[in-house]
Amino acid sequence: NAGVTQTPKFRVLKTGQSMTLLCAQDMNHEYMYWYRQDPGMGLRLIHYSVGEGTTAKGEVPDGYNVSRLKKQNFLLGLESAAPSQTSVYFCASSPGTSVKTQYFGPGTRLLVL
Amino acid sequence: AQSVTQLGSHVSVSEGALVLLRCNYSSSVPPYLFWYVQYPNQGLQLLLKYTSAATLVKGINGFEAEFKKSETSFHLTKPSAHMSDAAEYFCAVSPNQAGTALIFGKGTTLSVSS
Repeated sequence: NAGVTQTPKFRVLKTGQSMTLLCAQDMNHEYMYWYRQDPGMGLRLIHYSVGEGTTAKGEVPDGYNVSRLKKQNFLLGLESAAPSQTSVYFCASSPGTSVKTQYFGPGTRLLVL
Repeated sequence: AQSVTQLGSHVSVSEGALVLLRCNYSSSVPPYLFWYVQYPNQGLQLLLKYTSAATLVKGINGFEAEFKKSETSFHLTKPSAHMSDAAEYFCAVSPNQAGTALIFGKGTTLSVSS
């Protein structure tokens, strides 16, 4: 099992450009999450999904959109990137039952100039 | 609302010394608690978790944590630090609902000197 994978690993954008980050998991997990990590801030939840076709906002959703068309994939989109979105983005998944452990991907480093 | 506070953003120890990373939580109901470790340029890896089965939880790499309800604490310890323990450590709490996202502390960077 590959676990949770993220594509791309690193990306540089110019302000105003758009991009999509892809998260894939092969553990048949029901729940998936997108976090951003900034120095001294820990991890903050952007959006999450409790199942295929469903999404919900987290703590810092502004400027991001998500989609969960397939159970194994969770996409994070930036329609018009801003320098404040420079961060490391982590995807995670969990079985969604009584097991609350989340399994994390390796992260995507995004730099917005 | 639940929250997590990690005391000390940076902890430095010598190799072989005791490691103690502090975590206090706020929760109105019995929580699920986690410690994750992040090595440089990597994702988060689960060290251990508390799910109310036992107050002393043993994890990977010789780490353990004790849940103390009276102190609302879940401190992480390791008797003898190794150089390879140098990393960032995150404490997290999960609301008592399936699938709800974790709430993370701001992290503690552990440095180990020889």
